[in-house]
Amino acid sequence: GAVVSQHPSWVICKSGTSVKIECRSLDFQATTMFWYRQFPKQSLMLMATSNEGSKATYEQGVEKDKFLINHASLTLSTLTVTSAHPEDSSFYICSASDGGNSPLHFGNGTRLTVT
Amino acid sequence: GDSVTQMEGPVTLSEEAFLTINCTYTATGYPSLFWYVQYPGEGLQLLLKATKADDKGSNKGFEATYRKETTSFHLEKGSVQVSDSAVYFCALFRQGAQKLVFGQGTRLTINP
Repeated sequence: GAVVSQHPSWVICKSGTSVKIECRSLDFQATTMFWYRQFPKQSLMLMATSNEGSKATYEQGVEKDKFLINHASLTLSTLTVTSAHPEDSSFYICSASDGGNSPLHFGNGTRLTVT
Repeated sequence: GDSVTQMEGPVTLSEEAFLTINCTYTATGYPSLFWYVQYPGEGLQLLLKATKADDKGSNKGFEATYRKETTSFHLEKGSVQVSDSAVYFCALFRQGAQKLVFGQGTRLTINP
C-alpha cells in the first residue's frame, strides 16, 4: 500500500531556532500534501494544504511566516517551524493524496519539543 | 461547514466486550466517511472507509455502516482485544473541499 515517510520522528530544539520536518510519499506522486498539528489528547488540526509547485493554503489562525511549507516536488513537502518557542511543542503529522478518491495516507508524525 | 462529532471518551472495556463508538456528521453533498486509528506515539492508520450511503466498511473485525438518513457512521466490534487500545478518529472527506475533517477522537482502553 501507499506509504508516507515523515522525518524526523522526534526532535528537541532550543527556543529561537528553526526546525525542518520532511514528508515524503514513497510509492506514489502526491499532488496534495496536508500538515496537521495535534495537541495532547486532542484531535488533528489542519494547518495548511500544499499543492506541488504552488504556495500553501493556510487555515485561519495559522501563521504562514512561522510555519513555512514547501512542496517542491511530487514526493516531498517540508514544514519549517521558524524561531520556535515552547508553545510550538506539539505532534505534527503530514498526509498525502494522489488526487483521487483514495483516502489520505499519513506519516507517523514528528514530536517537536522546544526547550 | 462540514463537521464530525464523536462520542466523548475515554471508553474503557474488558476484553471480549462489544464496542460501539458513535460518530455523526454534518456535510453538504455526499462525503466519504472514514475511521482512523492512532496507537500511542504514532501517526494515523486507516481502519475502514465507506464512500456512499448504505456502504459497510470493515477491517480487523471492526465495522461501520454509512447511514445517510441519520448522518451517522458508528464504529462497532463484536469482541475487543487489549491490542485494540488506541485513539479512534472518525473523519469525512468531501471531494470539493479536498480535505479531511476529523472528529475529536475517542480514546479506547481495553483491560485484560
